[in-house]
Amino acid sequence: AQSVTQLGSHVSVSEGALVLLRCNYSSSVPPYLFWYVQYPNQGLQLLLKYTSAATLVKGINGFEAEFKKSETSFHLTKPSAHMSDAAEYFCAVSSRVTGNQFYFGTGTSLTVIP
Amino acid sequence: DTEVTQTPKHLVMGMTNKKSLKCEQHMGHRAMYWYKQKAKKPPELMFVYSYEKLSINESVPSRFSPECPNSSLLNLHLHALQPEDSALYLCASSQGAPAGDLWANVLTFGAGSRLTVL
Repeated sequence: AQSVTQLGSHVSVSEGALVLLRCNYSSSVPPYLFWYVQYPNQGLQLLLKYTSAATLVKGINGFEAEFKKSETSFHLTKPSAHMSDAAEYFCAVSSRVTGNQFYFGTGTSLTVIP
Repeated sequence: DTEVTQTPKHLVMGMTNKKSLKCEQHMGHRAMYWYKQKAKKPPELMFVYSYEKLSINESVPSRFSPECPNSSLLNLHLHALQPEDSALYLCASSQGAPAGDLWANVLTFGAGSRLTVL
């Protein structure tokens, strides 16, 4: 079975500072990993995905994530936070075997301080 | 068209009402999903349809009844709901078949239907 753990339910950063949101996965085989963002009263939007090509994945809005098998991690980063980045971020995992089942982490709420 | 459209955006219903949520996509996706999301919580999977057949039911109460009339449409019929069923209901779709890096399906979400049960 797959699962993801997001450390830190709330993260606050100053505008222009580095954003780091943590995600660790648990899976018997390397899974597919995703980061989604959700703005208030909206659905989830895909930021980026890891499917085993490059371990450093670049996404939209300047975000990127690095897959580290040795650490079973897939942390999301952005060099410089913008006010518009304030949102809820979810890490998700799906199986390479049963691709139709996605499991979401508990989410991290990002606050950007002006 | 790269969107998943959900209607209505907001729905208020009494516990004895019967209503339906609708979801539509025209991306040729063959898997469609219903998720339930409470405030400040992650989406919880309810149902998955794959090629118009129900493939996953996450032990959802029978007062929620899904329907997939065709590959582009997904409905969620609601009857005799409880106030604790109030939530954001999200529809999503994915390719539903091995593509590219095999099972690297990506979920595309709709904006959701905000349900309030009085």
